[in-house]
Amino acid sequence: DTAVSQTPKYLVTQMGNDKSIKCEQNLGHDTMYWYKQDSKKFLKIMFSYNNKELIINETVPNRFSPKSPDKAHLNLHINSLELGDSAVYFCASSQEGQGVRYSPLHFGNGTRLTVT
Amino acid sequence: GNSVTQMEGPVTLSEEAFLTINCTYTATGYPSLFWYVQYPGEGLQLLLKATKADDKGSNKGFEATYRKETTSFHLEKGSVQVSDSAVYFCAVMDSSYKLIFGSGTRLLVRP
Repeated sequence: DTAVSQTPKYLVTQMGNDKSIKCEQNLGHDTMYWYKQDSKKFLKIMFSYNNKELIINETVPNRFSPKSPDKAHLNLHINSLELGDSAVYFCASSQEGQGVRYSPLHFGNGTRLTVT
Repeated sequence: GNSVTQMEGPVTLSEEAFLTINCTYTATGYPSLFWYVQYPGEGLQLLLKATKADDKGSNKGFEATYRKETTSFHLEKGSVQVSDSAVYFCAVMDSSYKLIFGSGTRLLVRP
């Protein structure tokens, strides 16, 4: 009954390959996110989707393309992988749009991507 | 834009010691403030929050007070346990509901 689940947990691949990371949430939230955590633990938002619509798109190379088939899923596809893409990628979800001032994020356990 | 500055770690303490992890922020208006905790091999979990000045967030013995005058939200715990060893992230939510995290502070508690 995991709330936010990501697959795979580990991903090792070579430069130039294309890979995808999948995320699903069963919390009924309407907003989902992708965050990137580098080797120094610094966490930076990449994308945010609300009801399948892109609402946050930070300065991320266009090799990264999020896709949200429905509001419970947000997948991340990465083309032409580079060494610098090695990091831990976290999916998260929250419930917004109800007039509340904040909504805590619920995170998945992360996908450790290693590009060789 | 909004930003968060946390003290660098690692912070190493003996069990039952007092903990303070400093956090200051820059933001316009009155953002909501958060502490998240990341245990090894896991995602981040919300630890506590405060949504207006002078609010005190608390959970699991941890506390933090929203200080508007010093733009700070320091995390404290009176007596840490080995199980508190983790990475702690301070965060501020901006007006577009985007959560901006600090760089994280690793806490190591020794028996």
